[in-house]
Amino acid sequence: QSALTQPRSVSGSPGQSVTISCTGTSSDVGGYNYVSWYQQHPGKAPKLMIYDVSKRPSGVPDRFSGSKSGNTASLTISGLQAEDEADYYCCSYAGSYTLVFGTGTKVTVL
Amino acid sequence: EVQLLESGGGLVQPGGSLRLSCAASGFTFSSYAMSWVRQAPGKGLEWVSAISGSGGSTYYADSVKGRFTISRDNSKNTLYLQMNSLRAEDTAVYYCAKAPVPGTTVTTPDYWGQGTLVTVSS
Repeated sequence: QSALTQPRSVSGSPGQSVTISCTGTSSDVGGYNYVSWYQQHPGKAPKLMIYDVSKRPSGVPDRFSGSKSGNTASLTISGLQAEDEADYYCCSYAGSYTLVFGTGTKVTVL
Repeated sequence: EVQLLESGGGLVQPGGSLRLSCAASGFTFSSYAMSWVRQAPGKGLEWVSAISGSGGSTYYADSVKGRFTISRDNSKNTLYLQMNSLRAEDTAVYYCAKAPVPGTTVTTPDYWGQGTLVTVSS
């Protein structure tokens, strides 16, 4: 199972919006509405930010939103804040009781 | 509050074995599928294995199939990962993670532990 493709890095100034893409295939991202997004600060465990493509767990700011079109899922961070600087990973159900993660994207707040 | 605490990591020689544990609290452990996910130093996340709430169904990534065994003891609220025939490429932080919905099998996790480092080197 190949990793989902994410841009290596994205950046934005405070208050701006950034969008991270996550491209897979019809066997994973495109085939199921089970895409999650995780935020990981250095040395810390991943934190769930979005699940089932676009749902936000309680406690996650509404600045974070998710969507999907075809084989590509996206995470948008609106009103970028300094604490949003972290690595972000997408994850999708890939059939046959397996999961696949994205390659990861480093978000830099300028 | 959900808590997951991994232990058992360390330095092991290639070809050796190690057993990881994950102690769970704050939720009805037996109702939830659990996963192991690893992260090699400076690299991305990789799903390793998952197990149903009852322990009756187990699933593995191709990279570890036949070498790793996932299990759980619901009486002790503990998840395990037995790792045999370890290779240098198994070097990683290993996280245990919980499924978000009771009764499901392999789904993207919600809560994660802090991880335990496994280093395979001679």
